[in-house]
Amino acid sequence: KQEVTQIPAALSVPEGENLVLNCSFTDSAIYNLQWFRQDPGKGLTSLLLIQSSQREQTSGRLNASLDKSSGRSTLYIAASQPGDSATYLCAVWGNNDMRFGAGTRLTVKP
Amino acid sequence: DTEVTQTPKHLVMGMTNKKSLKCEQHMGHRAMYWYKQKAKKPPELMFVYSYEKLSINESVPSRFSPECPNSSLLNLHLHALQPEDSALYLCASSSPGGVYEQYFGPGTRLTVT
Repeated sequence: KQEVTQIPAALSVPEGENLVLNCSFTDSAIYNLQWFRQDPGKGLTSLLLIQSSQREQTSGRLNASLDKSSGRSTLYIAASQPGDSATYLCAVWGNNDMRFGAGTRLTVKP
Repeated sequence: DTEVTQTPKHLVMGMTNKKSLKCEQHMGHRAMYWYKQKAKKPPELMFVYSYEKLSINESVPSRFSPECPNSSLLNLHLHALQPEDSALYLCASSSPGGVYEQYFGPGTRLTVT
């Protein structure tokens, strides 16, 4: 059964810092990995999707990488802003199931 | 338009009530999903519809009954729920198959009293 782990569970940084969020998964037989952000009490906003054949994806200040063989993904956020404060979730789709990590709660202080 | 809409936003129901949650998308997606998210936990997959047919049912109790009347609509019928079913219910859609991006709605906050 796929298990997804996110480290750290919480992160607080001053505005302007570059930061890295980590996601690991136990079963490398995945179709894709998707990063989301979730604001309190809200739905999920898709940030980046990396298909299993890809190594990375970029969107604006965000860059996500995937190393399927080692079961790891990272989300790099450049020049963080207070508006980036949210919970960031990674999820993997494999074997007819979508498994989420528990998330990293990010606070960016002005 | 990458919007998935869900109604109602909030729902309070008693354990003997019957209610329905509704989800709609107009992106032409042929796969739609229901997830359940308890407070401070990640979402958990409940059901997957692919081309309007139920393809995945993650051992969800029968008091939850999904329905996909057409390619744009997804319903979740609720009956005889328990207080522990209180959660945020999220709907998502994507192109069918496992390689495509899922788009989520804002969710319905359900409270069972």
